[in-house]
Amino acid sequence: NAGVTQTPKFQVLKTGQSMTLQCAQDMNHNSMYWYRQDPGMGLRLIYYSASEGTTDKGEVPNGYNVSRLNKREFSLRLESAAPSQTSVYFCASSEARGAYEQYFGPGTRLTVT
Amino acid sequence: QKEVEQNSGPLSVPEGAIASLNCTYSDRVSQSFFWYRQYSGKSPELIMSIYSNGDKEDGRFTAQLNKASQYVSLLIRDSQPSDSATYLCAPLYSGAGSYQLTFGKGTKLSVIP
Repeated sequence: NAGVTQTPKFQVLKTGQSMTLQCAQDMNHNSMYWYRQDPGMGLRLIYYSASEGTTDKGEVPNGYNVSRLNKREFSLRLESAAPSQTSVYFCASSEARGAYEQYFGPGTRLTVT
Repeated sequence: QKEVEQNSGPLSVPEGAIASLNCTYSDRVSQSFFWYRQYSGKSPELIMSIYSNGDKEDGRFTAQLNKASQYVSLLIRDSQPSDSATYLCAPLYSGAGSYQLTFGKGTKLSVIP
């Protein structure tokens, strides 16, 4: 039981490049989330998926897109990376909207130059 | 704007002492509250959840909630050097059918051997 896994662990992009961050969970959770964490800013919600087939914007969605591929997988795409997107990205999951305890993956450290 | 306020620290306590971490939040509607521990370079780890006024104890950790004062705290008894980490307070905000955690910026705790 791996919990929440994320790939890659580290990534360096040039401005304008695109990439997709992958997240998968094996806990049969319905809800999944993407956060970014920046020094002095705390964790901020980018997008979430309350259940398979649905996605909604969080606090800072601009510049990102998401796909809930199936119940296990939730990906985050940067279409045209900008230096302001340099951050640590965390994926999380929770059992359902009625169970709010979220469990986090190990994170992806992204640098955009 | 939903605010979560935590003293950024660092909070330094000697080994074996009680560490007291505090958090205030702005939204009176919040019903669920979570404490996460985050070691440097690692992902947040859920350590406590509390849903009703009063105290909740789990091992060396006690969470205290006072909804009237919009205040939640975490006490760590018999602090150990391994408790040195940043502690994140996260009330659950609900509205328009969605449920979102809003994280404080965290309090850095240092336990001195």
